[in-house]
Amino acid sequence: GDSVTQMEGPVTLSEEAFLTINCTYTATGYPSLFWYVQYPGEGLQLLLKATKADDKGSNKGFEATYRKETTSFHLEKGSVQVSDSAVYFCALSASGTASKLTFGTGTRLQVTL
Amino acid sequence: IAGITQAPTSQILAAGRRMTLRCTQDMRHNAMYWYRQDLGLGLRLIHYSNTAGTTGKGEVPDGYSVSRANTDDFPLTLASAVPSQTSVYFCASRRSADGGTDTQYFGPGTRLTVL
Repeated sequence: GDSVTQMEGPVTLSEEAFLTINCTYTATGYPSLFWYVQYPGEGLQLLLKATKADDKGSNKGFEATYRKETTSFHLEKGSVQVSDSAVYFCALSASGTASKLTFGTGTRLQVTL
Repeated sequence: IAGITQAPTSQILAAGRRMTLRCTQDMRHNAMYWYRQDLGLGLRLIHYSNTAGTTGKGEVPDGYSVSRANTDDFPLTLASAVPSQTSVYFCASRRSADGGTDTQYFGPGTRLTVL
């Protein structure tokens, strides 16, 4: 079945550091890939998405490129801020599955001054 | 403001009691979903509905039921709550049930504790 694997957290970085959160997936067909972010005490918000191979999703300084050859969708940001502290979820929606999302376990990011 | 509302925000419930979590969206989205979020497990799909009048089982449906009488509402019922159902529950919706490119929008969640 479909699955998403994310790097274990928590990830602790100093402000302005470079961020990478790894995400790999297993799916049949050609899934769409998403990163969702959950700030403390809130629901999930879409951060970015990519719907086909080699697409790059970007938002708020975050980027992720859909790499079909490595089945990956790693999240990156060049300079993190304290306000980026949150839990980040990688997810996929496989074609023909009625748009159901399969989530990774989430990676908690803590950014300190 | 358009979006998804969930009620209650939090609830403490005795084991064996019946509980309905409410979810309403005003975006006229066709598809709706219920997830539970547990530490170390991410979000897991409980039930979904592609359109009013239809429902389907997700990854962890046991002990839960849903109904979709209209487009806007998608209540989740625990017929007889057990402690393992202690979790944070998120409702979500999507404009179309077809394909995989549309965004799912999430509600603020309901924190449920079963004692």
